[in-house]
Amino acid sequence: ETGVTQSPTHLIKTRGQQVTLRCSSQSGHNTVSWYQQALGQGPQFIFQYYREEENGRGNFPPRFSGLQFPNYSSELNVNALELDDSALYLCASSWGPGLQPQHFGDGTRLSIL
Amino acid sequence: TQLLEQSPQFLSIQEGENLTVYCNSSSVFSSLQWYRQEPGEGPVLLVTVVTGGEVKKLKRLTFQFGDARKDSSLHITAAQPGDTGLYLCAGLSSSGGGADGLTFGKGTHLIIQP
Repeated sequence: ETGVTQSPTHLIKTRGQQVTLRCSSQSGHNTVSWYQQALGQGPQFIFQYYREEENGRGNFPPRFSGLQFPNYSSELNVNALELDDSALYLCASSWGPGLQPQHFGDGTRLSIL
Repeated sequence: TQLLEQSPQFLSIQEGENLTVYCNSSSVFSSLQWYRQEPGEGPVLLVTVVTGGEVKKLKRLTFQFGDARKDSSLHITAAQPGDTGLYLCAGLSSSGGGADGLTFGKGTHLIIQP
């Protein structure tokens, strides 16, 4: 059984640029959630995709957007990058929106210069 | 906005000692999970508690969900260096059907010294 994989593992961008992060969900999982984990903090919920549609969203601005594909893999896009966007971005997959457990990938470390 | 407060934030103890980590909220959660995260890795689920008053044991780790489903604790007996890591509690909202995602605490950084 393949777990959740994320790419790239590390990324460096400058302010104002745009970035796309990718996540392959665990086999059979139809729900993907994205979280932002700043240094020394717990993860914060960005949004969730279920069957290719955004199913829920946390307190993040519209410049954070996403997609889910028919194979349930997902992308997180961030436009107009700001210094505060520097964080570990985690993807988690599960069998359904309210069903646990969520299986996390190892994240993408994004640094904004 | 639901918040989860974890305490202590940092804990460094000697191998063989016991410890308890707390997770508190003013909100009710339908379930609460405990994760352990190591540097450079994603969180790994340790346990899910669902019923108020529920107690679950995982080897030397004991997890308890408060009767009102607002708080939880993690107790480790005879801590070992391999227990070192960041322990995160996370709650699933009692409304929203899971679409609200998990609300995480800030975590407890645990160091077990040999």
